Amino acid sequence: EAGVTQFPSHSVIEKGQTVTLRCDPISGHDNLYWYRRVMGKEIKFLLHFVKESKQDESGMPNNRFLAERTGGTYSTLKVQPAELEDSGVYFCASSPLGNVVYEQYFGPGTRLTVT
Amino acid sequence: AQKVTQAQTEISVVEKEDVTLDCVYETRDTTYYLFWYKQPPSGELVFLIRRNSFDEQNEISGRYSWNFQKSTSSFNFTITASQVVDSAVYFCALSGFGQNQFYFGTGTSLTVIP
Repeated sequence: EAGVTQFPSHSVIEKGQTVTLRCDPISGHDNLYWYRRVMGKEIKFLLHFVKESKQDESGMPNNRFLAERTGGTYSTLKVQPAELEDSGVYFCASSPLGNVVYEQYFGPGTRLTVT
Repeated sequence: AQKVTQAQTEISVVEKEDVTLDCVYETRDTTYYLFWYKQPPSGELVFLIRRNSFDEQNEISGRYSWNFQKSTSSFNFTITASQVVDSAVYFCALSGFGQNQFYFGTGTSLTVIP
């Protein structure tokens, strides 16, 4: 079974440009999460989808970040316009729905560098 | 508020030594879940273990063991007879009941020297 995949693995853009990150969760996982790790800091929650609906977007830094999950399958996270402080590793994770808190399965991350 | 503290930023051990990675958490929830993940150089986070707050039994899986102590709010991870392949960043995480977001510590970078 394929794990969580993310594309691209690395992106270098200039301040003010737009970048779109993509995440394909494990097939059948209705929960999809985005996290971000700024160098040396903790991995921080950005938002959570249940199928195509945003369940919790309390971690989104500001309105320059837009996440979508059309059809409840893959998700995209767009940053527009990018700022220097947006640099970091963006992780996507997925888990099945259930009455307990399941472990989340993470992708390899997208390393975003804004120059 | 939920918080996880991994005070050890970097640890180096010689192969075959035992090493313990510390994790201290804060939560007001009575039901919560604790996790450990391994991040090898390839970058992905690999799930290692999940514990719920009602299960304080220690767990052993091969060379890995976990010590959960509610009295000290700790969930420490021990690797016995470390190997070079254990070199990675290890993250401890917490999730409250009814929540879905994980709260991570800053990670501990373990280097096992051959």
